[in-house]
Amino acid sequence: SSELTQDPAVSVALGQTVRITCQGDSLGSYYPGWYQHKTGGAPLLVFYGKNKRPSGIPDRFSGSKSGDTASLTITGAQTDDEADYYCVSRDGTANHLVFGGGTKLTVL
Amino acid sequence: QLQLRESGPGLVKASETLSLTCIVSGGSVGSSSYFWGWVRQPPGKGLEWLGTIYYSGSTYYNLSLRSRVSISVDTSKNQFSLKLTSLTATDTAVYYCARLITDFWSGSLMDVWGQGSTVTVS
Repeated sequence: SSELTQDPAVSVALGQTVRITCQGDSLGSYYPGWYQHKTGGAPLLVFYGKNKRPSGIPDRFSGSKSGDTASLTITGAQTDDEADYYCVSRDGTANHLVFGGGTKLTVL
Repeated sequence: QLQLRESGPGLVKASETLSLTCIVSGGSVGSSSYFWGWVRQPPGKGLEWLGTIYYSGSTYYNLSLRSRVSISVDTSKNQFSLKLTSLTATDTAVYYCARLITDFWSGSLMDVWGQGSTVTVS
């Protein structure tokens, strides 16, 4: 099975731009989904596909991909963006999924 | 508005079987447009996909759990269920049920989640 690698922690100053990355072989063929997960709550899908943002997600969240590395970019980070972020992608087998290890985002 | 709610025991004994049900409202598990699945998060760890089911009964399981996990769907009750056998302490986690959509570029992924059910294996 394939794996997705994320940096364990990233920090950003309030109002600045931050990029959270996800690297894995499956990303050479597929775009990941990105989830924001706050303690005690359910994960929230914030970006997926080539360029899709679910209804209600601020447009400061965007995604991109180059080769086997994908990025979630938050432009103008807010205190409310402080959370764990996970990427998810196909595990090389149709309808099998794998999550990245997660990135803890701190907004300073 | 679609809502999912996990139902099941909060405490189970080691070596026994965990049974959780996801009750769906505001939508139908019989819809051909969606898959349904389970994800868990052990304390202090990341998210782990457990498996997915289609309304037809087709299932897909995490290979690391394949021999212990099963998912079923009951369209008459509009719910789907997870069974995990031979429990150990490492199965202690928050268990989430979710709806999965299909995207051309991403494949299937979870878009609506339940609030989660905490399960402790003693």
